[in-house]
Amino acid sequence: VVMTQSPATLSVSPGQRATLSCWASQTISSNLAWYQQKPGQTPRLLIYGASTRATGIPGRFSGSGSGTDFTLTISSLQSEDFAVYYCQQYYYWPLTFGQGTKVEIK
Amino acid sequence: EVQLVESGGDLVQPGGSLRLSCAASGFTFSTYNMDWVRQAPGKGLEWVSHIDSLSNIIFYADSVKGRFTISRDNARNSLYLQMDGLRAEDTAVYYCARVSLGELHFDSWGQGTLVSVSS
Repeated sequence: VVMTQSPATLSVSPGQRATLSCWASQTISSNLAWYQQKPGQTPRLLIYGASTRATGIPGRFSGSGSGTDFTLTISSLQSEDFAVYYCQQYYYWPLTFGQGTKVEIK
Repeated sequence: EVQLVESGGDLVQPGGSLRLSCAASGFTFSTYNMDWVRQAPGKGLEWVSHIDSLSNIIFYADSVKGRFTISRDNARNSLYLQMDGLRAEDTAVYYCARVSLGELHFDSWGQGTLVSVSS
């Protein structure tokens, strides 16, 4: 399953809303996770099951979608949210990731 | 606290071999499925291999099938990746990742170990 993320880069001002998209080439039900990776750091799980926040993840992060179309929304960007975000499907083998969306400061 | 600590990364010539290790602590290792995920320099994440808690179910990405072997030792709380026939395109940071119970996403990641394949 090919995962496609859009846009490749998103420029957002602090305090503004960010909307990241992820599409699957086949239906994957709600078997989708989102990860955040800051430069030089390890990936961190944000969302699983398309919409369930992982432990300790702030409420400004929300996920939605099912089937083939998914969205990660960051309601009010904080300075620590500027990072690369990856989606991952876990409905089919091999497990696959999107190519990532970089959220940068506008 | 969950801790995953990888080791074994190195500079190796094409065609060479390496064995990566991942030492787990802070959780009951024997009850969790584990995976390896890699990231080439400046690139995205690529799933490499999966092993279930009892070593009964193993999967590989097509890009490493026949060259890499995943294994684990539950008595030693350790995960391994034997990498043979290394190629330049295997150059990456290799992460050990814990698979969430009952799911197939990754709820904990190690800090990674760098494998460089070059002559």
